[in-house]
Amino acid sequence: QITLRESGPTLVKPTQTLTLTCTFSGFSLKSSGEGVAWIRQPPGKALEWVALIYWNDDKSYSPSLRSGLTITKDTSRNQVVLTMPNTDPVDTGTYFCAHVVRDFDYLSGYYPRAFDIWGQGTKVTVSA
Amino acid sequence: DIQLTQSPASLFASVGDRVTIACRASQTISRHLNWYQQKPGKAPRLLIYDASSLQSGVPSRFSGSGSGTDFTLTISSLQPEDFATYYCQLTYSSPFTFGQGTKVE
Repeated sequence: QITLRESGPTLVKPTQTLTLTCTFSGFSLKSSGEGVAWIRQPPGKALEWVALIYWNDDKSYSPSLRSGLTITKDTSRNQVVLTMPNTDPVDTGTYFCAHVVRDFDYLSGYYPRAFDIWGQGTKVTVSA
Repeated sequence: DIQLTQSPASLFASVGDRVTIACRASQTISRHLNWYQQKPGKAPRLLIYDASSLQSGVPSRFSGSGSGTDFTLTISSLQPEDFATYYCQLTYSSPFTFGQGTKVE
C-alpha cells in the first residue's frame, strides 16, 4: 500500500525559504519508473503542478514559478524535498505530494501516467 | 505551454442525473489527459487516466472519452457522494497543467 505524507512549516515570512518534505512508503525511488510530484492549491483556487522527480533523478519544474525552486530525493529515507526560495504571500496554500509512475507511448515518448496516490496535504501561510 | 479549459465552471444536478464535464486543450495532447475528484478539505483522487482508463477502485459510473484536444468526463448516474469539484490534467508534456475545475452542486 502506497502512502505519502507532507510535512513542513505552517507559517513562513515573505522572502524566507520554504522547505517541504514528502515522506512515503510502499514504493522506492530506486525502482525504475517511480516518481514523486508536488502540487499546490491556493485557498479556494485550482490545483497547480509545481515539480516532479523520477527515480533516475530526472526533474521538471513549473515554468510559472520562480527560479531557484528545487526538488531533491533521499532514497535512503524515502523522502522527497521541495525547496522554494524567496517566498511571497501568493505562495500561501495547501501543498500536496503524489506518487507518479512513468509510462511510455510510441507517439509521445515517456510521460507521467497519472498522479495516482496523494498525501493529505500540508497548509502553508506566507505572511509577515 | 499547453492550456486546458474546463467547462462548465459549475453545474447543478440531482441524484440520478447524467453529468458531463468537458476539457479542451489548446493543442493536441494525444490521450494524455487525466481526471480527478476533490472534496472540500481533502486531497484529489484519481478517477480516469489516459483519457478513458478507469483507475482501480473507482465506480464504473465514471467514464472518460476523447483524444487530441477534446475530452469528456461522464458520470452516468450521479450519486450523493459525487458532489465535488472535478479537475482535468494533461500529462503530454511539461508543465503538467490542471484545468480550472468544475464544481458539481
